[in-house]
Amino acid sequence: EDKVVQSPLSLVVHEGDTVTLNCSYEVTNFRSLLWYKQEKKAPTFLFMLTSSGIEKKSGRLSSILDKKELFSILNITATQTGDSAVYLCAVWTGNQFYFGTGTSLTVIP
Amino acid sequence: SAVISQKPSRDICQRGTSLTIQCQVDSQVTMMFWYRQQPGQSLTLIATANQGSEATYESGFVIDKFPISRPNLTFSTLTVSNMSPEDSSIYLCSVEGGHSYEQYFGPGTRLTVT
Repeated sequence: EDKVVQSPLSLVVHEGDTVTLNCSYEVTNFRSLLWYKQEKKAPTFLFMLTSSGIEKKSGRLSSILDKKELFSILNITATQTGDSAVYLCAVWTGNQFYFGTGTSLTVIP
Repeated sequence: SAVISQKPSRDICQRGTSLTIQCQVDSQVTMMFWYRQQPGQSLTLIATANQGSEATYESGFVIDKFPISRPNLTFSTLTVSNMSPEDSSIYLCSVEGGHSYEQYFGPGTRLTVT
């Protein structure tokens, strides 16, 4: 059964901390892995990863994929209160997206 | 990227009634997806809607309860039929981003059933 597992389920940090969110997957036909940030209703796209070892970076956020060990991490450095959100990981198989349950991040001032 | 709009953005409905949610995309797309997100949960795929064919439903979702239309490459509707309080949820439509395999989401419809 195809599945995507995220950890931790929730995280509370102070502003300025660095956090690492984890996403592991088991799918029969991996095409790409995507990270989303969800604050109110619709998730917003952060990164798409298709190749192992190549870091994607956008400001304080970065992500990398390991296709051998079947996982990805999302790093956020110097966290801010505006980073508080649920971070979703999804895997695209060519037919369907499989979503993890998300990691709820709370950044305390 | 694709720009997606959904209507209505929110609604409060009575038990036993039906609500149709519309999803409009600003470009032609082959695959459209309908998701449900219940409070505190991740996204659950309801069905995949391809233009010109019947929607493909995931386990636990049936056409009688969630009929879907896909009349063209830019539009789809999802109907939540014979609603109960358990249907209270956010309903999201999304599209695949073509060659990039990205996925774009509509703003969502927040449904409350009383």
